[in-house]
Amino acid sequence: QSVLTQPPSVSAAPGEKVTISCSGSTSNIGSNFVSWYQQLPGTAPKVLIYDSNKRPSGIPDRFSGSKSGTSATLGITGLQTGDEADYYCATWDNRLSGVVFGGGTKLTVL
Amino acid sequence: EVQLLESGGGLVQPGGSLTLSCAVSGFTFSSHAMSWVRQAPGKGLEWVSVISGSGGSPFYADAVKGRFTISRDNFKNTLYLQMNSLRAEDTALYYCARDYNWGGFYFFDYWGQGTLVTVSS
Repeated sequence: QSVLTQPPSVSAAPGEKVTISCSGSTSNIGSNFVSWYQQLPGTAPKVLIYDSNKRPSGIPDRFSGSKSGTSATLGITGLQTGDEADYYCATWDNRLSGVVFGGGTKLTVL
Repeated sequence: EVQLLESGGGLVQPGGSLTLSCAVSGFTFSSHAMSWVRQAPGKGLEWVSVISGSGGSPFYADAVKGRFTISRDNFKNTLYLQMNSLRAEDTALYYCARDYNWGGFYFFDYWGQGTLVTVSS
């Protein structure tokens, strides 16, 4: 059972938009920045979003992030088959004194 | 170019020990906190431990507290994870990950390719 709750899977057609939610509490998302990671099959994770809504250089603006209260959301527009991957949210938890990840969401582009 | 290269994984019996290493290059190692993150086969990411750029302030996940020790050698540009009293549930691919910041967690901007630890008799 992960501290941060994500839907196990989402799906959408190419070109469409999808959102992935990440729900936490006041000790984690409510108090700290959220980052999002993409893990393509058989590869190491890669950061997509940090500071809840900032993109590192090289990440296309099709990827966006937002945070409200104790929840965060990753948005992906203009879906491509190459976006099929597992997506994870992460943040620091003040009560646990550690990094917490969401359980991961598998994105399928139909 | 930033590079992180893990090594030291392998097959170990329950109750055994193993030390993982992560050799880094391409950046000033002491300027960044470093973490170990693991992924059991077919499962999600699980944070294990973090250490600040100076080597102080280590934190551990409850699942490994008292059994694992994180350390770093800023002269050798290497991160370590000493794992004792290993259990079957420690079986995973272990990644080292660089934090953007010096101390504490901000976000992981670089990851290694991982080293596989299998705990089995």
